[in-house]
Amino acid sequence: SYVLTQPPSVSVAPGKTARITCGGNNIGSKSVHWYQQKPGQAPVVVMYYDSDRPSGIPERFSGSNSGNTATLTISRVEAGDEADYYCQVWDSTSDQEVFGGGTKLTVL
Amino acid sequence: EVQLVESGGGLLQPGGSLRLSCAASGFTFSSYAMSWVRQAPGKGLEWVSFISDSGSNIYYADSVKGRFTISRDNSKNMLFLQMNSLRAEDTAIYYCAKDWGSRQPQYFQHWGQGTLVTVAS
Repeated sequence: SYVLTQPPSVSVAPGKTARITCGGNNIGSKSVHWYQQKPGQAPVVVMYYDSDRPSGIPERFSGSNSGNTATLTISRVEAGDEADYYCQVWDSTSDQEVFGGGTKLTVL
Repeated sequence: EVQLVESGGGLLQPGGSLRLSCAASGFTFSSYAMSWVRQAPGKGLEWVSFISDSGSNIYYADSVKGRFTISRDNSKNMLFLQMNSLRAEDTAIYYCAKDWGSRQPQYFQHWGQGTLVTVAS
């Protein structure tokens, strides 16, 4: 089955740029979606189809996907961005939705 | 405003059965695919099952295939998950999620607040 690999944690100072990666075999050929989950809350989509941003999500959030790595980039990080972030793809080979293990973003 | 409200969670013993429900409102339910996604305590997200708008396309995670059944009632704007032969590892918050698309999985556009299922003896 298809596997998505995320770093367990990323730490960044306020105002700096956070990059959260999602690795998978030839992931660049798939559409990658990203979710933000804050403690005690349901997930919220923050990026879909690699780099499309839902309404209400700040322009500080951007996405890219190429080769074996997709990346969610958060510019000018704020304390309110502290959360768990998950990448997700549909694997048509196995007919399975796949989530990465999640990355905890800590704002120092 | 899209609203998804899950219900039916609870505490039960291994081997038991449970039916989860998700009441949808704020959108044309019959036009969108739906999924169940779960999250074990302190763990990450795990997709459980997908059903297309008409119910013609259904997919399951390998971990629940043969034990869980997803269904929907478009006349009542309801999504269901019948869970049989429950195991301790099925313990999780179960989220109902609205897909962006209708026939094939796209992405989870909206999520409910979840219902907790605990399987323990």
